[in-house]
Amino acid sequence: QVQVQQWGAGLLKASETLSLTCTIYGGSFSGYFWTWIRQPPGKGLEWIGEITHSGGTIYNPSLKSRVTISVDTPNKHFSLKVNSVTAADTAVYYCARGFSSGWYNYWGQGTLVTVSS
Amino acid sequence: QSVLTQPPSASGTPGQRVTISCSGSSSNIGSNFVYWYQQLPGTAPKLLIYRNDQRPSGVPDRFSGSKSGTSASLAISGLRSEDEADYYCAAWDDSLGGPVLFGGGTKLTVL
Repeated sequence: QVQVQQWGAGLLKASETLSLTCTIYGGSFSGYFWTWIRQPPGKGLEWIGEITHSGGTIYNPSLKSRVTISVDTPNKHFSLKVNSVTAADTAVYYCARGFSSGWYNYWGQGTLVTVSS
Repeated sequence: QSVLTQPPSASGTPGQRVTISCSGSSSNIGSNFVYWYQQLPGTAPKLLIYRNDQRPSGVPDRFSGSKSGTSASLAISGLRSEDEADYYCAAWDDSLGGPVLFGGGTKLTVL
């Protein structure tokens, strides 16, 4: 059974760096799109960015200046860093594996990241 | 405010057919595939429809998707209580070389 699992710090102070990592069990890592999506409490989904099956990275223009997405293929790790967080970055963060942009068939369990001032 | 516009809420009684709309523009829905996700309370989104009208294995055929021009729709027939959830449409936007846009979500209530 394919399972995507993610982990990282859930409580940050303003100006710190958010860091999350994701991996997959029971399924392939290479050859897919790997994506980060977030959801503020009680609100909708926001696409953060992704690494394509060919290794290119694409970021949401609204977050691009603060976000770094990277992949460690040998260890099957997919990571997100968001610099200089504020309360507006408080959200549940999801990683997902997919076939193309928008087409995500396996999702992590989500990590609630809370930024305090 | 999302670029993909969905009604904030929808409702129906068991057995009914309900439709959720998603309106966009030529740079997103008009030129790219549309995807639909179901999110049950406290859980991660689940893919319901890919490439406008395709169902992943395991998704009941009660769920169907369609697209016309710059709008898309998700239809749920034979409504069941377990269909009560939030539904999101998604599409790539060409205008800035991305991003993937999500609609604001539609809360479906089964009365």
